[in-house]
Amino acid sequence: ETGVTQTPRHLVMGMTNKKSLKCEQHLGHNAMYWYKQSAKKPLELMFVYSLEERVENNSVPSRFSPECPNSSHLFLHLHTLQPEDSALYLCASSRSGGTTNEKLFFGSGTQLSVL
Amino acid sequence: GQSLEQPSEVTAVEGAIVQINCTYQTSGFYGLSWYQQHDGGAPTFLSYNALDGLEETGRFSSFLSRSDSYGYLLLQELQMKDSASYFCAGPNGATNKLIFGTGTLLAVQP
Repeated sequence: ETGVTQTPRHLVMGMTNKKSLKCEQHLGHNAMYWYKQSAKKPLELMFVYSLEERVENNSVPSRFSPECPNSSHLFLHLHTLQPEDSALYLCASSRSGGTTNEKLFFGSGTQLSVL
Repeated sequence: GQSLEQPSEVTAVEGAIVQINCTYQTSGFYGLSWYQQHDGGAPTFLSYNALDGLEETGRFSSFLSRSDSYGYLLLQELQMKDSASYFCAGPNGATNKLIFGTGTLLAVQP
């Protein structure tokens, strides 16, 4: 148990659907992240929030829309996705997000399949 | 560009020692982290090297040589439960955020 919980664990959606991924951390951290993990590729950083403000958007298509209502919750809203968006989406948190030597605490991810 | 390269797969037997290498090309580098991820699980932090040399944590050790842009993770007395993917990670000099290596799938055989 890492202290970071993601739901759902698995999601299958059509290209015209709208769905949301949810992440919750119970560690008292101030920074939260979304990563995309595709087969045989490095983890790709998508978004970073620090103290509920988005501090990084890593050139992610607008069909992915993050939301951070408070420091414990992070959402990723999905709409009109493409089959190439099928991947494992990982949420992570860290104490402040200010330095790269911080440990990241990851959730187990949402395995997304876009049909 | 910024990248960290690792071998894609490594196989070893129980009780053996295995080394997983990581070479990197990043600007403004100042530390290397290692994460472990079991199939279907969350990546978990293993170690961090800020300075050159060896850091030891139980059966796992991590090494860094900044002059060679190189590091490795050393796993001793391998156990079946060590079968997992291992990722090195370092800072993106432009954004100051972590970027991850390509990952190494370690298979431990009886």
